[in-house]
Amino acid sequence: QVQLKESGPGLVQPSQTLSLTCTVSGFSLTSYNVHWVRQPPGKGLEWMGRMRYNGDTSYNSALKSRLSISRDTSKNQVFLKMNSLQTDDTGTYYCTRDRLITTVANFDYWGQGVMVTVSS
Amino acid sequence: DVQMTQSPSYLAASPGESVSISCKASKSINTYLAWYQEKPGKTNKLLIYSGSTLQSGTPSRFSGSGSGTDFTFTIRSLEPEDFAVYYCQQHNEYPLTFGSGTKLEIK
Repeated sequence: QVQLKESGPGLVQPSQTLSLTCTVSGFSLTSYNVHWVRQPPGKGLEWMGRMRYNGDTSYNSALKSRLSISRDTSKNQVFLKMNSLQTDDTGTYYCTRDRLITTVANFDYWGQGVMVTVSS
Repeated sequence: DVQMTQSPSYLAASPGESVSISCKASKSINTYLAWYQEKPGKTNKLLIYSGSTLQSGTPSRFSGSGSGTDFTFTIRSLEPEDFAVYYCQQHNEYPLTFGSGTKLEIK
């Protein structure tokens, strides 16, 4: 069955770089887009960016200067790297699967999320 | 960016009742609105996309309507498992944007 699982450090120091991994199973990264979405505590969801099935990426302009998404199809993994972290980057980070690659995204599968705290 | 205004933020109802949630977009998103359910210990669940299309497996007591800027999500005859947080999301353009959520609690 389709699964996505996020992993990464729970604590990151301010100004450092966050590195997260989304490991997927039950589908191919060359057939579906994978996105990253985050949620600060007590706040709403924010779309961060996506890795398309063909290897292209796109980012939320609010984060674009700090964000990089890449993948390793042989390992079924999508990576997120975001630099210059600040306390307001604290939150739960999700990877999600795009229901269809041919339309603007909605998400038929989500990971459980990984909580990231930015603190010294 | 398209701003999504979701209301109410909190809703209390009893099993068997019907409830509705509103989601308003800051500009037209055609019919491209999705609704998700968030429950503790479970992954978020897509219920409806394109305004009114039920995702496979979504019970028929859930429905969505609307177009342009105004959308409504309705649960008819609430079941105990429906008490959760619900989010809307526009999928008309990037960046994708979400409503702030509605927490549905048992009265």
